[in-house]
Formats: sequence, C-alpha cells, structure tokens
Amino acid sequence: GDSVTQTEGLVTLTEGLPVMLNCTYQTIYSNPFLFWYVHYLNESPRLLLKSSTDNKRTEHQGFHATLHKSSSSFHLQKSSAQLSDSALYYCALTNTGNYKYVFGAGTRLKVIA
Amino acid sequence: SVLLYQKPNRDICQSGTSLKIQCVADSQVVSMFWYQQFQEQSLMLMATANEGSEATYESGFTKDKFPISRPNLTFSTLTVNNARPGDSSIYFCSSRDRDLQDTQYFGPGTRLLVL
Repeated sequence: GDSVTQTEGLVTLTEGLPVMLNCTYQTIYSNPFLFWYVHYLNESPRLLLKSSTDNKRTEHQGFHATLHKSSSSFHLQKSSAQLSDSALYYCALTNTGNYKYVFGAGTRLKVIA
Repeated sequence: SVLLYQKPNRDICQSGTSLKIQCVADSQVVSMFWYQQFQEQSLMLMATANEGSEATYESGFTKDKFPISRPNLTFSTLTVNNARPGDSSIYFCSSRDRDLQDTQYFGPGTRLLVL
C-alpha cells in the first residue's frame, strides 16, 4: 500500500538557519497528491502546502516544496527558520479516487534562539 | 473550507468507563475521519465514517472498542468503550474537501486521560 517516510524524530535548528524536512513516498498510482501539514501545540493540524504537479515549486508562508515524481519526494524547505516555526510537521499522500489519506510519522521542528 | 467542532475538548475518566466524543461540521461533508494521536506522535487513522453506513475501521481499531455513529452529513460521534490508560491520547475528527484536491480539515481535538 501507499506509504510516506519523513525525517525522523526531532530536528533542532538555530533561528535563521535553513529548514529542510525530508519526505519520500511510495504509491502505485501515477498521480499522487502530496501535502505538508503543520501542527502547533494545542491546535489542530492544518494544511501548509500541497501539490500534484511534477517539478513545480509550491510556496506558502515562507515554506516551499517541489514534488519530484522521479525521486518520489516532496521535501519541505524554508530559507530561514523562525522561532514560531517550532511545530510538528506531517507529510501526507493521497491519490485521485483513492479514499485513503496516508500520513508520515511526523517531524518535530524545534527552533532555538 | 470546513470548520469542525469537537466536544468535549478534554476529559478525564476512570478505567472501565465509556465516553463519547462529538464532532460537528459547519457544512455537509460526505466523509468524516477519526484519528488518534499519542503525545507528539503520528496521526493514526482509526476509522472512516460515511452517513448512513457502518464505519470502516483501520487495523488495530474495532467497532466494539470504538463505535462510531454518523447519523447525518454534519455530525459524528466516537465512543471509547471500556477505557484504559492506554487509550489516553488526543482524538481528532476530520473531513476532506474533494473540491480542493482532498485538503483535509481537522477539529480541535479531544484530549482524553484515562486513570
């Protein structure tokens, strides 16, 4: 079945450094939708980015990601981490017509001063 | 987008008791989903609930332990039967917007502590 693999566990960064959270996926379908969700403490997970277009960069709130079907990847990046970026980040996958929505294990990003 | 509300937002119960978690959407949605999240871990899909039909459960979750009702297109309840300390977690309901490439929206979560 479909699966999503993310950078494991905790990523600790100093404010101002670039952010790179890895996400790779496996699916038998040729048109996957990839998502990044952000989950701040005591809030609901919410959509950060999404894409289904190969090799097209998508951006939101300073974060960006590019779906690369050739490498089955959808890495999340930001040029400069902020303290307020500290949260749990989930990569997720779904497919057109497929009811299943698969989340990765989550990566906790902690940004320190 | 869809707004989802959950009640209660937190609860403490004794082992062996049952509790209900309600989820209400501000618009009609075809499917609602229930997720379990242990502290700072991944979101685990428990079940999918469509109106008027039995919920579909994922591996590791059963109807007897977590019965779900979906009486209409804006409402769902999750019951935790015979609660155990191992059930202590956050429970989220969610729904998807098929018009927006299946973006998923989540309720605020219900934090459950079983003593």
